[in-house]
Amino acid sequence: DGGITQSPKYLFRKEGQNVTLSCEQNLNHDAMYWYRQDPGQGLRLIYYSQIVNDFQKGDIAEGYSVSREKKESFPLTVTSAQKNPTAFYLCASSSTSGRKDSPLHFGNGTRLTVT
Amino acid sequence: AQTVTQSQPEMSVQEAETVTLSCTYDTSESDYYLFWYKQPPSRQMILVIRQEAYKQQNATENRFSVNFQKAAKSFSLKISDSQLGDAAMYFCAYRSNNQGGKLIFGQGTELSVKP
Repeated sequence: DGGITQSPKYLFRKEGQNVTLSCEQNLNHDAMYWYRQDPGQGLRLIYYSQIVNDFQKGDIAEGYSVSREKKESFPLTVTSAQKNPTAFYLCASSSTSGRKDSPLHFGNGTRLTVT
Repeated sequence: AQTVTQSQPEMSVQEAETVTLSCTYDTSESDYYLFWYKQPPSRQMILVIRQEAYKQQNATENRFSVNFQKAAKSFSLKISDSQLGDAAMYFCAYRSNNQGGKLIFGQGTELSVKP
């Protein structure tokens, strides 16, 4: 079945360490997105990519980095510069062709805890 | 920049009754898309319903319907015959016709269903 896989489900890191969250999709979607979810704040966009080898900053990109070397993969690195990295991270993808109201498809998320 | 506001952090409904969740948004665009997503305790994001701004007819999906008031920039979700499985966090989201297809989310409304 097609879908989006985020791994791992839970991740623990010490403060000062960089950590990379994985996101893989087999939906043949062109666009991919990273969101951060905190209690009471909804989902906030970190980075997004519409095509391979290209990506744009979202609303809260500081302290994060991404790459898009393959259509299927969009890993997110949480760097030590991110002041408050503990959060739930959601990856999503969508088709940029066809219906313009194509929804975002989401992975199951990664809960990152930094101590 | 577009914003989405959900003014009800929590709502409660009796099983089999009807509940309406509110959502307002701010935009200067005329062509856009609106979505409601459901996030149950599993934290999986599930699309509930979608609406294109140019369509005057309100979208309906089984027990879920919307009241889309474009002039008022309002997009409320009505859940009829509420079921225990409807208990979840509900997010309203705005999608521009450009800007890379990213979604802008509201803060969310946590819905509880009483048996």
